Amino acid sequence: GQQVMQIPQYQHVQEGEDFTTYCNSSTTLSNIQWYKQRPGGHPVFLIQLVKSGEVKKQKRLTFQFGEAKKNSSLHITATQTTDVGTYFCAGVNQAGTALIFGKGTTLSVSS
Amino acid sequence: ETGVTQTPRHLVMGMTNKKSLKCEQHLGHNAMYWYKQSAKKPLELMFVYNFKEQTENNSVPSRFSPECPNSSHLFLHLHTLQPEDSALYLCASSPRGAAGYNEQFFGPGTRLTVL
Repeated sequence: GQQVMQIPQYQHVQEGEDFTTYCNSSTTLSNIQWYKQRPGGHPVFLIQLVKSGEVKKQKRLTFQFGEAKKNSSLHITATQTTDVGTYFCAGVNQAGTALIFGKGTTLSVSS
Repeated sequence: ETGVTQTPRHLVMGMTNKKSLKCEQHLGHNAMYWYKQSAKKPLELMFVYNFKEQTENNSVPSRFSPECPNSSHLFLHLHTLQPEDSALYLCASSPRGAAGYNEQFFGPGTRLTVL
């Protein structure tokens, strides 16, 4: 079945280092969404990418959608302790009615 | 955030109990979702309701029974659960119906423990 995979599963960085998580789909995606879940919290929508090769920035976060629309990445520049949490990517299912979430990348940051 | 609320926030139940989880969204959205989040399978979609009609049942066991009386309320009725059903149950809603291009707004979740 349709799958969305994320790597790495866990990442620990020192504050100030960069961080990247990668998302890959078994099928071409019409769009991809990214969510962040803080420890003990719930997922919060960050952004949606729709166009092939699209790049969007939110302050220190850079989101990319691959040219083939089968992969995406989230890059955080100069991590801060507030970046701690699990980052999920999600792609639409083949029926177009719901999202399939990746397993997430859990980021920990030490100061 | 108070857009999507869930009650109770924590629930402990025995395998023979019957309980219900409640979700309410105050955002005027037309689609609502139930997800199960556990260590083994994060964010596993269970049910989707689009304009009060169930459009997705992701092979969920019959011991979970959803109910959507209107676009603002969603229930998950639980009976004869198993310990492996212990997880965080998240409700979400999205505007303009259930479509993959709509961002989802999640509630805080109900932490369920089945003894």
